[in-house]
Amino acid sequence: GQQVMQIPQYQHVQEGEDFTTYCNSSTTLSNIQWYKQRPGGHPVFLIQLVKSGEVKKQKRLTFQFGEAKKNSSLHITATQTTDVGTYFCAGDNAGNMLTFGGGTRLMVKP
Amino acid sequence: DSGVTQTPKHLITATGQRVTLRCSPRSGDLSVYWYQQSLDQGLQFLIQYYNGEERAKGNILERFSAQQFPDLHSELNLSSLELGDSALYFCASSASGGQSYEQYFGPGTRLTVT
Repeated sequence: GQQVMQIPQYQHVQEGEDFTTYCNSSTTLSNIQWYKQRPGGHPVFLIQLVKSGEVKKQKRLTFQFGEAKKNSSLHITATQTTDVGTYFCAGDNAGNMLTFGGGTRLMVKP
Repeated sequence: DSGVTQTPKHLITATGQRVTLRCSPRSGDLSVYWYQQSLDQGLQFLIQYYNGEERAKGNILERFSAQQFPDLHSELNLSSLELGDSALYFCASSASGGQSYEQYFGPGTRLTVT
C-alpha cells in the first residue's frame, strides 16, 4: 500500500532559526495536504498542493510539491515559539484514502 | 474551534470492556473519518463514512466498528479492549466523499485501557 515518510522525526531549533520538514511518498500523489498539531491539540489543516512543482507561501511558511508529485516540503523561516507543534503531511493518491506521514515534531528554544 | 464535536473527552476503562465514542461533524459535512493516534505516533486512518455509507477502510481492527447515522453523527465502537488500544481517537469531517478535501478534526477522545 501507499507509504508516506516524513523526516526528521524531531527537530530542536533556536528561535529565529529556519526549519524544514520533508515528506516522501512511495507512489505518485494527486495532491498533498499539510496539517499542524499543537501540543495537546488536534490537527489543523494548513494547505493543499495539487500541481507538479507548486509552491505556496503563508507568511513565514513555504510549501513545495515536487515535480514528480512524490515529495513535498514545508519550510519555516525565522521560527517563533508559536511554531511549536507537530507538522504532518498527508498524501492523496486518488485512491480515496489520505495517508498521513509520521509527523515532524518541532521544538523551539526561546 | 473546528465545529467538530467529540464525546467523551476522556475515557478510562478496563481490558475486555466495550466503549462507544461519538462524533458530530461540522454542519453540512457529509464525510466522517476516524483516526487513532498512539503516544508520539502519527495518525492511523481507521475508517470513513460518507452520507451514511462506509466509503473507505484503513487499518481498523475487527474488534472495532463504526457507523454513521441519518443525522450524520458517527459512533466508533471498540470492543474486547486491550492495553494497546489506549490512544487518542480523532474524528474528522469534510464536505465531500473524496479525501482530497481538507479535513476538520475534532478535539479527540483520550482512551485509557487499564
